[in-house]
Amino acid sequence: DVKVTQSSRYLVKRTGEKVFLECVQDMDHENMFWYRQDPGLGLRLIYFSYDVKMKEKGDIPEGYSVSREKKERFSLILESASTNQTSMYLCASSATLVISGSYDIQYFGAGTRLSVL
Amino acid sequence: RKEVEQDPGPFNVPEGATVAFNCTYSNSASQSFFWYRQDCRKEPKLLMSVYSSGNEDGRFTAQLNRASQYISLLIRDSKLSDSATYLCVARGNTGGFKTIFGAGTRLFVKA
Repeated sequence: DVKVTQSSRYLVKRTGEKVFLECVQDMDHENMFWYRQDPGLGLRLIYFSYDVKMKEKGDIPEGYSVSREKKERFSLILESASTNQTSMYLCASSATLVISGSYDIQYFGAGTRLSVL
Repeated sequence: RKEVEQDPGPFNVPEGATVAFNCTYSNSASQSFFWYRQDCRKEPKLLMSVYSSGNEDGRFTAQLNRASQYISLLIRDSKLSDSATYLCVARGNTGGFKTIFGAGTRLFVKA
């Protein structure tokens, strides 16, 4: 059974703080993703990584950075948290399909609900 | 216009009812389609993939209409446990394999 674990379910931070959200997967997946989910907007991709030390910007990377030093771990960093970054953050991982090279089904962590005051 | 659009609902139906959700996508290059289910305050989980010929899994039937660029999900004999948000997902097979999630359709099944 695939397991994607996010380090915190709930976080409360102050404006200007540096925030680290951690995600670990145990299925040896190549690909990992960070999304944020807001009411009425669905999931929006922040960053993804298809290999160790590789990262690609998603649709809304501004104000975020990521780190992937090990295959199983993908970290999302808010360099200076702002109130508009209050959201639910979801990490996901997937394997790479051998035939097409595209992403297989994504498996999600339980999410981190971040409040920035 | 959003790349994947869904009626947000909520759909309120009695147990045993049949309910259908539609989803439209704007990128004709999208190749793979999925329905995810998300319970309140939980993570999305894959419900089913959507194949060109349509596919069925128990009480759930998914259909794809490429010409009209829409995907549907039909739930028959609704159960209380079907209450959740259903997310429509479209993914390309080129250009970074971009995956776009719809905002979801909320379903409440009542006794």
